[in-house]
Amino acid sequence: DAGVTQSPTHLIKTRGQQVTLRCSPISGHKSVSWYQQVLGQGPQFIFQYYEKEERGRGNFPDRFSARQFPNYSSELNVNALLLGDSALYLCASTPTERGTGELFFGEGSRLTVL
Amino acid sequence: AQSVTQLGSHVSVSEGALVLLRCNYSSSVPPYLFWYVQYPNQGLQLLLKYTSAATLVKGINGFEAEFKKSETSFHLTKPSAHMSDAAEYFCAVSDRFSGTYKYIFGTGTRLKVLA
Repeated sequence: DAGVTQSPTHLIKTRGQQVTLRCSPISGHKSVSWYQQVLGQGPQFIFQYYEKEERGRGNFPDRFSARQFPNYSSELNVNALLLGDSALYLCASTPTERGTGELFFGEGSRLTVL
Repeated sequence: AQSVTQLGSHVSVSEGALVLLRCNYSSSVPPYLFWYVQYPNQGLQLLLKYTSAATLVKGINGFEAEFKKSETSFHLTKPSAHMSDAAEYFCAVSDRFSGTYKYIFGTGTRLKVLA
């Protein structure tokens, strides 16, 4: 079975632009979480979605938004990009809503903001 | 609020030597604790997790960790390092009552294995 897939794998944007990152969860997984990993740091929680509804939000500005589709795939949108948004964006899926188990991570989308 | 501290951003060991990666946590409620590994240009993979069953947790690839409540620690060990263990390791804590996958990750420890 395919794991979590993310696209694009790499992208370069300039300050002020907008970006959309995509994630397809493992088949049968209904929850998707997004994490930001800045170089040299651990991942930071951005959002969790379950059954198309937001279940959790981290300490990120409103420039960050996400949604989940009926097929459980998800998009992360970041508007008005700043240099500090440069990071690896990780998507993780889980079969259930409640946070007691393993997060299954994709390989990430590496965003560079110039 | 929960937090995780990983002592040592870089650790070097010789092949065959003991691996010890340190993790201390802070949590006002009983935590769930995890160790993840990240190989270059890859996502994170779960090594092991503590969810209040046995305090000594065995994971994949010969790794294990012991939950010590009195020391608020969850250190990761492996008796004998292999070259393939070279990677970055992250400790994470979760609030078991939050109902979400808002895990708090440490800053990571990069393990180097010397031949």
